[in-house]
Amino acid sequence: KQEVTQIPAALSVPEGENLVLNCSFTDSAIYNLQWFRQDPGKGLTSLLLIQSSQREQTSGRLNASLDKSSGRSTLYIAASQPGDSATYLCAMDNNAGNMLTFGGGTRLMVKP
Amino acid sequence: ETGVTQSPTHLIKTRGQQVTLRCSSQSGHNTVSWYQQALGQGPQFIFQYYREEENGRGNFPPRFSGLQFPNYSSELNVNALELDDSALYLCASSPGAGNTGELFFGEGSRLTVL
Repeated sequence: KQEVTQIPAALSVPEGENLVLNCSFTDSAIYNLQWFRQDPGKGLTSLLLIQSSQREQTSGRLNASLDKSSGRSTLYIAASQPGDSATYLCAMDNNAGNMLTFGGGTRLMVKP
Repeated sequence: ETGVTQSPTHLIKTRGQQVTLRCSSQSGHNTVSWYQQALGQGPQFIFQYYREEENGRGNFPPRFSGLQFPNYSSELNVNALELDDSALYLCASSPGAGNTGELFFGEGSRLTVL
């Protein structure tokens, strides 16, 4: 059974800082890994999708990496802004069916 | 192109009651998945429907059931509500059960059980 852990659970940084969010998983037999953003009380927005054969994906100020051998993924956010404040969730698909296993999320606060 | 819509957005029930939540999938999507997200936690997979059939199920008891209709909209039904069923219920649609990664979420239905 896949287990996903995100550390830290909460993070507060000043505006402009570069930061790294961590995600670890126990079963490396994944089809893909996604990072999502969730604003309070809202649904999820997909940020980046890394296929099993890939090592990283980039979108704007976001970069996500995947290391299956160590069971880890990181989400790097460059030059953080107050608008980046949200909960960030990693999730993986183990059976190519879009039935995702999520971590508990990291709640990010970027202070002006 | 319309996104995933869910109703109601908020509702309050008492323990032992039954609830039905509804989801309209994104245009062209034939697969709908439901997730339960307790406060402060990540979403947990409940089940998935593909072309009106249950296509996969997470670790939830049988009192959680669902339906998918010919237009691919879906319902989540929960019987004999318990306090721990209080959560945000998220619906997600995708173009097909095998199209991994193309997953679009609705805003959720917030259920409070008293």
